[in-house]
Amino acid sequence: ETGVTQTPRHLVMGMTNKKSLKCEQHLGHNAMYWYKQSAKKPLELMFVYNFKEQTENNSVPSRFSPECPNSSHLFLHLHTLQPEDSALYLCASSQATRNTEAFFGQGTRLTVV
Amino acid sequence: KQEVTQIPAALSVPEGENLVLNCSFTDSAIYNLQWFRQDPGKGLTSLLLIQSSQREQTSGRLNASLDKSSGRSTLYIAASQPGDSATYLCAVLFVNNTGKLIFGQGTTLQVKP
Repeated sequence: ETGVTQTPRHLVMGMTNKKSLKCEQHLGHNAMYWYKQSAKKPLELMFVYNFKEQTENNSVPSRFSPECPNSSHLFLHLHTLQPEDSALYLCASSQATRNTEAFFGQGTRLTVV
Repeated sequence: KQEVTQIPAALSVPEGENLVLNCSFTDSAIYNLQWFRQDPGKGLTSLLLIQSSQREQTSGRLNASLDKSSGRSTLYIAASQPGDSATYLCAVLFVNNTGKLIFGQGTTLQVKP
């Protein structure tokens, strides 16, 4: 079992669909993150959760809705996405939000058609 | 604005060569700097973490240095191998951006047999 596990690995969805991405960490960390990686752009932070509380929303559109039921699980609920939302979505975790190493999952490759 | 820049964007070297990847950042007030490796379509693998108080870290054939005052870090890869071919990402955790890693664009390395 790898440290940070994301499912599904690949997802194709229509613009009217609703889907969810799941992330689970087995490292006992307290902070979890969603990042977006678009083609030819640097990785960009979307959300930060620390002890299940959202501490950062990096001006993300409301069609992306995160959920953190506990410190080990993080979800990203998707609805009415646009084709430009197609990207690799990466989940990460760390022991704390300061001064600690971040570990990433394998990502979900999302294609919006 | 806090930014991270990596040069070169791409690098191709023959097997066995020693090489240096560069990362620069705009603010010296950092918690840490992390180097990652990313294979095509995959997630990020943490290679080295350098805390703000450290000057360098080593892991096998990899050595990363940090010079906060000049806002620079280098990743040195000794005796490169074809299996080192990947994109290398530098990420900085700035002090006033708790939990938010700022990434460079990455350097895509190709090691030719």
